[in-house]
Amino acid sequence: QLHLQESGPGLVQPSETLSLTCTVSGESVSSTAYYWGWIRQAPGKGLEWIGTIYQTGTTSYNPSLESRVTISSDTSKNQFSLRLTSVSAADTAIYYCARKGYTATWGQGILVTVTS
Amino acid sequence: ETVMTQSPLSLSVTPGETASISCRSSQTLLHRGNNYLDWYLQRPGQSPQLLIYLGSNRASGVPDRFSGSGSGRDFTLTISRVEAEDVGVYYCMQGPQIWTFGQGTKVEIK
Repeated sequence: QLHLQESGPGLVQPSETLSLTCTVSGESVSSTAYYWGWIRQAPGKGLEWIGTIYQTGTTSYNPSLESRVTISSDTSKNQFSLRLTSVSAADTAIYYCARKGYTATWGQGILVTVTS
Repeated sequence: ETVMTQSPLSLSVTPGETASISCRSSQTLLHRGNNYLDWYLQRPGQSPQLLIYLGSNRASGVPDRFSGSGSGRDFTLTISRVEAEDVGVYYCMQGPQIWTFGQGTKVEIK
């Protein structure tokens, strides 16, 4: 059964880099049938797509975040990761990882707070 | 960039009645015979749950009270015989490579 689990620091200082990892079980992140991606939700707000990765190489990013975002994958660990640089309070959110093909599966999410 | 517009943004429904939510895309979502449009429900304090994929297919375990319809740019989520457990925020999402969400529709029970 497919399971995605986000992990990483719950607190990040302003201007630093936010780094999160999504560990996948039940499916290979190198599968060509799916896109793997990150979504976030600021407190009390809607869902915002951050970016996706396909076949361990091709990436697509939200234009509003593209200059600060990198998504990569590690097939040996069956994980994919998010890096968001130069964070501010506006980046405080619950971050979700997800797999999308015809259907979709999401992780439970991880709250990241940007604060000094 | 594809923009997803939901309406209404809030909805108050009497238990047992039917609710409908509209989602309109700025570009067609029909590609190679598939409409890449999902519907999610986010209950309070929970992560989003997939209800409908490819426009009209119910996800595993989703009650048949939920149905999706539409094609191209216009889609509708219909909730028949609304129950108290259906409260939350409903989102449409287009994919599969670039994901865009609607603003969300908050459903409450009268």
